[in-house]
Amino acid sequence: AQSVTQLGSHVSVSEGALVLLRCNYSSSVPPYLFWYVQYPNQGLQLLLKYTSAATLVKGINGFEAEFKKSETSFHLTKPSAHMSDAAEYFCAVTVTGANNLFFGTGTRLTVIP
Amino acid sequence: DTGVSQDPRHKITKRGQNVTFRCDPISEHNRLYWYRQTLGQGPEFLTYFQNEAQLEKSRLLSDRFSAERPKGSFSTLEIQRTEQGDSAMYLCASSSGTSVSNEQFFGPGTRLTVL
Repeated sequence: AQSVTQLGSHVSVSEGALVLLRCNYSSSVPPYLFWYVQYPNQGLQLLLKYTSAATLVKGINGFEAEFKKSETSFHLTKPSAHMSDAAEYFCAVTVTGANNLFFGTGTRLTVIP
Repeated sequence: DTGVSQDPRHKITKRGQNVTFRCDPISEHNRLYWYRQTLGQGPEFLTYFQNEAQLEKSRLLSDRFSAERPKGSFSTLEIQRTEQGDSAMYLCASSSGTSVSNEQFFGPGTRLTVL
């Protein structure tokens, strides 16, 4: 079975500071990994995904994530936080042959002006 | 392309009543998913359709839940004899192609409150 663990249910950063949201995965076969963002009263929007190509994945809105197999991690980063980045972020995993995504419990990002 | 739409956006019902939610996926998307999201949790998979065929159901989908996707277009999710534990956000997503790694596009969700 596949799963992800998101460390830190709440993260606060100052505007302009580095954003680091942590995600560790568990999978017995090569995974596909995703980061989604959810703004209040909206559906989830894909930020980026890893599908076994480049280990450093660049997404929308300046976000990127690096797949590290040795650490079973897929942490999300952004060099400089904007107020508009305040939202809930979800890491998800799936594998070939599965029919759905397995989501973590989410990290709520607060950006302090 | 207007994205995935869901109706209604909010539903308040009394325990024991039946409710039905609708999802309209992005046109031409052959895959459709239902997830449930409770407060403080990530979405949890309920069921998956490929075209009109329901190919997988989660153990979360009790006998009181039923989903359909007639003609492989829109989908409905019905909950019979609702319970307070059914209160959650119900999310629909769709994707194209044959790979689970393809992006799933999510609708805004239907928030169900069972009194």
